[in-house]
Amino acid sequence: RKEVEQDPGPFNVPEGATVAFNCTYSNSASQSFFWYRQDCRKEPKLLMSVYSSGNEDGRFTAQLNRASQYISLLIRDSKLSDSATYLCVVSPFSGSARQLTFGSGTQLTVLP
Amino acid sequence: DAGVIQSPRHEVTEMGQEVTLRCKPISGHDYLFWYRQTMMRGLELLIYFNNNVPIDDSGMPEDRFSAKMPNASFSTLKIQPSEPRDSAVYFCASSSSHSGGPYEQYFGPGTRLTVT
Repeated sequence: RKEVEQDPGPFNVPEGATVAFNCTYSNSASQSFFWYRQDCRKEPKLLMSVYSSGNEDGRFTAQLNRASQYISLLIRDSKLSDSATYLCVVSPFSGSARQLTFGSGTQLTVLP
Repeated sequence: DAGVIQSPRHEVTEMGQEVTLRCKPISGHDYLFWYRQTMMRGLELLIYFNNNVPIDDSGMPEDRFSAKMPNASFSTLKIQPSEPRDSAVYFCASSSSHSGGPYEQYFGPGTRLTVT
């Protein structure tokens, strides 16, 4: 079983739609959680960290459920520029970006 | 500020040849990471350094792979001899433990390696 599992998609949604991605992780000792975004043929970039209480950054909302070992990302009012692969990422270290384990990613295409 | 710099951006080589990938982390960052990304296996951590010292190399696939960090501003990943299954995009990333945290990893643009 992979340490971090994501639905690979692809998700094809129209502009303005709301889309949600889910991710599960197997290591219950995981302490830090992130969503990274990777554009086609580019490097991954941090989208947002995920906190236990849930957090929001503009149109993006991330949730963490430690009991179920489940992380989600919600994108509201999707834009063409949101088209990318979204990587779910966990670390065994608290407040640290060391030893990140990446999911395989969920591909999103926003259609005009 | 310059981000993480990697060279070369593309490398095509024949099986059996030595390949050296280079990375310059962001100035002041004390962590450096080497990753490999393939369609089949996704993004895998190969090795990481803290203050130029290798901390965890458990992701290095085999003895053909070696990594060094002779100083805070330079690291290399060497494959000798290279094999077709080494074809992948190799990313270098760096991060700082001195900021307030959590500590974002900043990735370089990657080196696309093709071994024929």
